[in-house]
Amino acid sequence: GPKVLQIPSHQIIDMGQMVTLNCDPVSNHLYFYWYKQILGQQMEFLVNFYNGKVMEKSKLFKDQFSVERPDGSYFTLKIQPTALEDSAVYFCASSFGTGGPQDTQYFGPGTRLLVL
Amino acid sequence: GDSVTQTEGLVTLTEGLPVMLNCTYQTIYSNPFLFWYVQHLNESPRLLLKSFTDNKRTEHQGFHATLHKSSSSFHLQKSSAQLSDSALYYCALTPHQGGRALIFGTGTTVSVSP
Repeated sequence: GPKVLQIPSHQIIDMGQMVTLNCDPVSNHLYFYWYKQILGQQMEFLVNFYNGKVMEKSKLFKDQFSVERPDGSYFTLKIQPTALEDSAVYFCASSFGTGGPQDTQYFGPGTRLLVL
Repeated sequence: GDSVTQTEGLVTLTEGLPVMLNCTYQTIYSNPFLFWYVQHLNESPRLLLKSFTDNKRTEHQGFHATLHKSSSSFHLQKSSAQLSDSALYYCALTPHQGGRALIFGTGTTVSVSP
């Protein structure tokens, strides 16, 4: 089936540094998402993005977070500066975009971020 | 706020026995969309089932679920478990028409043994 790729698979950084998580969505998809999963907890929605704009975001999407997809390249999540509580697995997802909420979201394998 | 509650933790069963994973939800919206995602070890979560129609059974790959708005439930069932069904199962909710954010339950790990 359609594949979403995420780069890197693991990232270790020091608190206060900037990190960029990269997502290569399914090629004809228009809607993009980030979810966060802290160890032992459920996946939680962070943000979704369509047509160059943030469409929805949760309270977890702090001011230090930003997303973009410049010129159809990677869909990125940038955290600047990072905090200890940002340690989690970050899942990217994409969907075709025209079917509304019932659009299937295809998930990547996640990036495991550890902030020291 | 909106939330999803699932059968907690680990469900262990023997191959050939039926599987039932509970999922209930809370939302103020009357037309939620409900989903079951499955995540096998070292793989990405992938959609197993989805529904937004009250009292209509939906099926895929031997699994089935029926959305019951009267009880706010979307339980996942399979009549006969296979070894390959061992995985982590998430129930998720999109509360209303205008949004796409998935609200996930905590997940249920299913372990099927011979």
